[in-house]
Amino acid sequence: DAKTTQPNSMESNEEEPVHLPCNHSTISGTDYIHWYRQLPSQGPEYVIHGLTSNVNNRMASLAIAEDRKSSTLILHRATLRDAAVYYCILRGIYGNKLVFGAGTILRVKS
Amino acid sequence: EAQVTQNPRYLITVTGKKLTVTCSQNMNHEYMSWYRQDPGLGLRQIYYSMNVEVTDKGDVPEGYKVSRKEKRNFPLILESPSPNQTSLYFCASSHGQSNEKLFFGSGTQLSVL
Repeated sequence: DAKTTQPNSMESNEEEPVHLPCNHSTISGTDYIHWYRQLPSQGPEYVIHGLTSNVNNRMASLAIAEDRKSSTLILHRATLRDAAVYYCILRGIYGNKLVFGAGTILRVKS
Repeated sequence: EAQVTQNPRYLITVTGKKLTVTCSQNMNHEYMSWYRQDPGLGLRQIYYSMNVEVTDKGDVPEGYKVSRKEKRNFPLILESPSPNQTSLYFCASSHGQSNEKLFFGSGTQLSVL
């Protein structure tokens, strides 16, 4: 099963951009890269996903490396409400056994 | 409203007393899955199901059972709970394709004494 590697924690100042990295060197050609986040005392929630091209939505942007072995979740202006654990996972065509790992704890300072 | 509903939200039980945590979704999703979350270990998959009557083991299936008799329901069964199953449990569902996003329930905090 394809695995991802993320830093344990990161810190950001409020109103500044945040770049959360994820390495997935064993990604296969049909794997989608998904990002989820988990706010305190809540279940994980979807943030964004992509296959090859960079993606934007109202929550964030996803930048995918050309070789697809890494990706970066970009929060353009971090707020205190963005403090959460962020998970990067791969989901393939047989993508049922999803490995979340420990994720990255994002702390946002005011 | 599209949602994944887990019950109960909190459960305290004793070793060996069988229990069931229910999970239901109203989005006609084919895929459903159970995870447990322990401090420092992130989310670990217990079981998943691709459709009715189709279930398979995740990374930590020992001590758990599941069933998928209806598309909307995916209960997690602990036949003989032990203290090491004390954890926060999440149910998730989605359509089956790899570009489909997962929807998670609010979680069930289980304590086995």
